[in-house]
Amino acid sequence: KQEVTQIPAALSVPEGENLVLNCSFTDSAIYNLQWFRQDPGKGLTSLLLIQSSQREQTSGRLNASLDKSSGRSTLYIAASQPGDSATYLCAVRHTNAGKSTFGDGTTLTVKP
Amino acid sequence: EPEVTQTPSHQVTQMGQEVILRCVPISNHLYFYWYRQILGQKVEFLVSFYNNEISEKSEIFDDQFSVERPDGSNFTLKIRSTKLEDSAMYFCASKGTRGEQFFGPGTRLTVL
Repeated sequence: KQEVTQIPAALSVPEGENLVLNCSFTDSAIYNLQWFRQDPGKGLTSLLLIQSSQREQTSGRLNASLDKSSGRSTLYIAASQPGDSATYLCAVRHTNAGKSTFGDGTTLTVKP
Repeated sequence: EPEVTQTPSHQVTQMGQEVILRCVPISNHLYFYWYRQILGQKVEFLVSFYNNEISEKSEIFDDQFSVERPDGSNFTLKIRSTKLEDSAMYFCASKGTRGEQFFGPGTRLTVL
């Protein structure tokens, strides 16, 4: 059974800092991994999708890496802004049609 | 930009009543999902649907639950005889061939 863990559970940083969020998974036979952002009481917004054959993906100030063999992914946020404050979730999928298994998320607060 | 929509945004019901949660997935997507998130907990997979049938379901998705795609655009989740513990945010998601999953804004279900 796939277990997804995210560390840290919460993170508070001053505006402008670069930061790294971690996601680990127990079963490395994944199809893809997706990072989401969730604002309080809202839905999930897709940030980045990494296919199992890829090592990283970039979108603007966000960079996600994937190391399947060690069961790890990181989300790097450059030059953080107060608007980045949210909960960040990673989700892994084992087959194209199958379910995603989510971590508990990291709640990020960026202070002005 | 295409998006997944869900109605209603909030549903309040009495224990034992039936509810139907509605979703309109992105139009050219072929894979559809329901997830739920109990307040303060992880996003949990309920069911996936492809080619007009359930492709995978979790232990949570028992006989109390059913899904349907009644026409070419809607995807519904029916919960029969609701229980207090069914109170949660229910998210619909759809996925295209590229593998990226898109979530709707959710329906907050409150069972009294």
